[in-house]
Amino acid sequence: QSGLTQPPSVSGTPGQRVTIPCTGTTSNLGAGFDVHWYQQHPGTAPKLVIFSNNIRPSGVPDRFSGSRSGTSASLAITGLQPEDEADYYCQSYDTSLSGVVFGGGTKLTVL
Amino acid sequence: EVQLVESGGGLVKPGGSLRLSCAASGFTFSSYSMTWVRQAPGKGLEWVSSLTASSSYKYYADSVKGRFTISRDNAKNSLYLQMDNLRAEDTAVYYCAKVSAQKYFQHWGQGILVTVSA
Repeated sequence: QSGLTQPPSVSGTPGQRVTIPCTGTTSNLGAGFDVHWYQQHPGTAPKLVIFSNNIRPSGVPDRFSGSRSGTSASLAITGLQPEDEADYYCQSYDTSLSGVVFGGGTKLTVL
Repeated sequence: EVQLVESGGGLVKPGGSLRLSCAASGFTFSSYSMTWVRQAPGKGLEWVSSLTASSSYKYYADSVKGRFTISRDNAKNSLYLQMDNLRAEDTAVYYCAKVSAQKYFQHWGQGILVTVSA
């Protein structure tokens, strides 16, 4: 049972805005720990797209944004493009697990 | 440019052992915590273990505690994962990653496959 919960899948059409929610608990997001987001295309290593709740690493398009409030967080992608089709994972730290925790992952399909 | 290259994966029988290595370059290895993350076939990411820069603190997921041992050699810019008493459920691609102060992973290796099967 992951300490972070994500929907298995979301979808959108090119140009659309989509959001991927990540629901935590009082032992991770609710305890004030930051959330980070990764994008993973099939057969490749994960790529960091948002860190510390809402900061984009250099090279990540500004179409990607993140937010966090209480025990919830979300990743938003605007102006959806075909290359955004991938799996997305949220990640934080969990005091009850005494370690890093990942969400179960969300598959984004661009229709 | 930061580079992380895993090696040592392969096929092993249940109950067997394997040692993964991760060769790091492009940054001051001795200044950063490092971590191992794995991904079973068709499944999500699972954190396995982390180690602080000076090896003072080691952390393990409950699923591997007592069976896996993380270590590093700062003189060789290398991270290791000794995996003993392997089980079928340990079958996965194993990634090493560099840990930031805020506990996110900006740099990842390409991953190495470990298959545990009779």
